[in-house]
Amino acid sequence: DAGVIQSPRHEVTEMGQEVTLRCKPISGHDYLFWYRQTMMRGLELLIYFNNNVPIDDSGMPEDRFSAKMPNASFSTLKIQPSEPRDSAVYFCASSLSRLGQAIRGSGANVLTFGAGSRLTVL
Amino acid sequence: GQQLNQSPQSMFIQEGEDVSMNCTSSSIFNTWLWYKQDPGEGPVLLIALYKAGELTSNGRLTAQFGITRKDSFLNISASIPSDVGIYFCAGQDPQTGANNLFFGTGTRLTVIP
Repeated sequence: DAGVIQSPRHEVTEMGQEVTLRCKPISGHDYLFWYRQTMMRGLELLIYFNNNVPIDDSGMPEDRFSAKMPNASFSTLKIQPSEPRDSAVYFCASSLSRLGQAIRGSGANVLTFGAGSRLTVL
Repeated sequence: GQQLNQSPQSMFIQEGEDVSMNCTSSSIFNTWLWYKQDPGEGPVLLIALYKAGELTSNGRLTAQFGITRKDSFLNISASIPSDVGIYFCAGQDPQTGANNLFFGTGTRLTVIP
């Protein structure tokens, strides 16, 4: 398996523009997570899906952020309009089963991260 | 939100030296994880700890789940250049849901050949 695939790897945009980040989870994984990484706040969970359904979006910063998962192999994180403070690395991750169970499972059931999308908003 | 304090923030060591880093939380965790992040990549799981007092090894890496369930440490023995990267602790808080991992701020390790 190619792992979790994210695109774009890098994006530079101007304030006010719409940004769309994309993620393809590992095939067969039921859970998909979006994280944001900044120097100040580290890694923060934004939202996660189970079987394409959003379960917890309490980490989404504000209404400018939205995430969708139209099918089991694709998810998007959208920021509209973007602001300079949104500059960060956004990670997508997936797991085979419920995280609490996955951690206790085999090595294949752990949370697997993509390489990230580095966003710079000028 | 949950506070995870990781120390040290950065380390510069000579190749062959041992490394020790730790992580403390403001509340009890029921799982501790240690991840490594290479430049330009996502974090990769190194070790998972499931119960208080547990000591687990993975090659040159050893990690322990603290007895109080509020801390964990990671040791790397005989460091090599490819150990360079950022090491993150992560914990699963039973109060906030099984699917939310809280991450530490990371320890940036530099190994000097």
